[in-house]
Amino acid sequence: EDKVVQSPLSLVVHEGDTVTLNCSYEVTNFRSLLWYKQEKKAPTFLFMLTSSGIEKKSGRLSSILDKKELFSILNITATQTGDSAVYLCAVEGDSSASKIIFGSGTRLSIRP
Amino acid sequence: DVKVTQSSRYLVKRTGEKVFLECVQDMDHENMFWYRQDPGLGLRLIYFSYDVKMKEKGDIPEGYSVSREKKERFSLILESASTNQTSMYLCASRILGREQYFGPGTRLTVT
Repeated sequence: EDKVVQSPLSLVVHEGDTVTLNCSYEVTNFRSLLWYKQEKKAPTFLFMLTSSGIEKKSGRLSSILDKKELFSILNITATQTGDSAVYLCAVEGDSSASKIIFGSGTRLSIRP
Repeated sequence: DVKVTQSSRYLVKRTGEKVFLECVQDMDHENMFWYRQDPGLGLRLIYFSYDVKMKEKGDIPEGYSVSREKKERFSLILESASTNQTSMYLCASRILGREQYFGPGTRLTVT
């Protein structure tokens, strides 16, 4: 059975700290891993990763994939209160066309 | 900009009622998805569709059905609503191989 596990489930840090969020997966015929940010509304896309070892970066956020060990990390440096959100990891496998499943998310809270 | 719309933001229904949730996207996306989101459980896939009239069960299809008669529209049907179907329902669409775009969600309460 396909599975996506995120850790930690929740995290509270102070503004300016650096955080690392984890996502491990088991999926048939992996195609891609995606990260989303969800505030009080619909998830918004952050990154799509398909190849091992290639870092994707957007401002203070970065992510990398390890296809051998079946995990990805999302890093946020110099955190700001606006980074407070639920971060969701999703994986697309090839067990049937276009299926995308999500982990339970990491709730990140940034204290001023 | 891609736009995914859902027919209602909030919906209250009684146990046993038939409930229709509609999702429309305006970008000619092949793939469409229905998820439910509950606290601590993330997004769980109910059904998805990779083309018109084509559908696949997700991880929790029991008690739900779907319809995709036109490419832009994907409907989720609760045949006989139950209280354990109270949840936030999110629709998403995408081009094959790309990221998903989500609608604003429908918060359904079944009493």
